[in-house]
Amino acid sequence: DTGVSQDPRHKITKRGQNVTFRCDPISEHNRLYWYRQTLGQGPEFLTYFQNEAQLEKSRLLSDRFSAERPKGSFSTLEIQRTEQGDSAMYLCASSRGLAGGGEQFFGPGTRLTVL
Amino acid sequence: AQSVTQPDIHITVSEGASLELRCNYSYGATPYLFWYVQSPGQGLQLLLKYFSGDTLVQGIKGFEAEFKRSQSSFNLRKPSVHWSDAAEYFCAAFSGTYKYIFGTGTRLKVLA
Repeated sequence: DTGVSQDPRHKITKRGQNVTFRCDPISEHNRLYWYRQTLGQGPEFLTYFQNEAQLEKSRLLSDRFSAERPKGSFSTLEIQRTEQGDSAMYLCASSRGLAGGGEQFFGPGTRLTVL
Repeated sequence: AQSVTQPDIHITVSEGASLELRCNYSYGATPYLFWYVQSPGQGLQLLLKYFSGDTLVQGIKGFEAEFKRSQSSFNLRKPSVHWSDAAEYFCAAFSGTYKYIFGTGTRLKVLA
């Protein structure tokens, strides 16, 4: 068990550029979550995958955001035409759902700064 | 609507003093409840969780939490705080389907 990893850890981009983040979950975890966390706030749910199927998307996830989890393994989160308001920490978590006691395991996050 | 509330944004305690961080939830039924800790530059780490049974649960790093159904609360406690406990603490609830809801967090400062 090497834990959840995220890449990159930091990303600085100019407004209007596209960015893509990667999350590698714990290998036996079938559930994968993306969250956004801004200063002074708790993680806000963005989207959820069970295996390769994206089963839920938050209304926070505008059309500029897209997430994939091909083959039910790693996941990517892409933000197109970034805006300054997208600056935040993007967290990935994985779990086995209730079969794993409901516990989520979090990655270290990707901090995005949009200039 | 389902929600998790952490009323204290910041708490400062002296090293060696006791600690209690408050968490209240609003759910249709009793959710699964968690406390996570986040240190600067680190991901969230699970301290403890409550599903059912004994309402006093023990976690890592000497933390414990007590579930009180009548007060819809799940407060985190530690009898003696160490300087390394300075971090941000998040309470979270899980309905048992897929969605977790987090509180806004309590930032703990520890005075030497």
